[in-house]
Amino acid sequence: AAGVIQSPRHLIKEKRETATLKCYPIPRHDTVYWYQQGPGQDPQFLISFYEKMQSDKGSIPDRFSAQQFSDYHSELNMSSLELGDSALYFCASSLGSSGGGNEQFFGPGTRLTVL
Amino acid sequence: DAKTTQPTSMDCAEGRAANLPCNHSTISGNEYVYWYRQIHSQGPQYIIHGLKNNETNEMASLIITEDRKSSTLILPHATLRDTAVYYCIVRVFSNYGQNFVFGPGTRLSVLP
Repeated sequence: AAGVIQSPRHLIKEKRETATLKCYPIPRHDTVYWYQQGPGQDPQFLISFYEKMQSDKGSIPDRFSAQQFSDYHSELNMSSLELGDSALYFCASSLGSSGGGNEQFFGPGTRLTVL
Repeated sequence: DAKTTQPTSMDCAEGRAANLPCNHSTISGNEYVYWYRQIHSQGPQYIIHGLKNNETNEMASLIITEDRKSSTLILPHATLRDTAVYYCIVRVFSNYGQNFVFGPGTRLSVLP
């Protein structure tokens, strides 16, 4: 079965640079979530989108922005990168409309390293 | 969402059942219990969820007490590949992108 696709899988950036992470949800899934997991920490929710509209917001820094496009893929844009942004970034998708179990399916993650 | 309490770590012998407890004494009537696991640095993996009744799928069984204040995830025949951090999460069923709150979970080690 198709899973959530994230690209790139690994990314190395310098401080103050920008980065764009992409997420392609499972086909027919209409909801996308972004999580950040720092070294030795648990995943922390950043932001989510349902039907291309922001549906929930967590601890996302103002330097970050995200959107969901008409084909339901999502991009997380990160600017003025800091050393503390080094982390695993997970995207998850779910079927928000009726018929789904509402469980979220996670992608393999993007490992961002800021030097 | 209600808070959950889980043991920090557990060991289980390979081939035996792993029983992972979770306390959620403040759970409300419309909150579901979800279980996820994370194998080292991989994306969290959905295992099972339930509301009131016990649930079983190809991966595990979920036993929820009658008062819903606690639950147990059962892996019937643990293998080395089941070594992971297991997260018990209580959350309202939502169609509109409500997030999961992770942490800290139980680190299960399956020993040969």
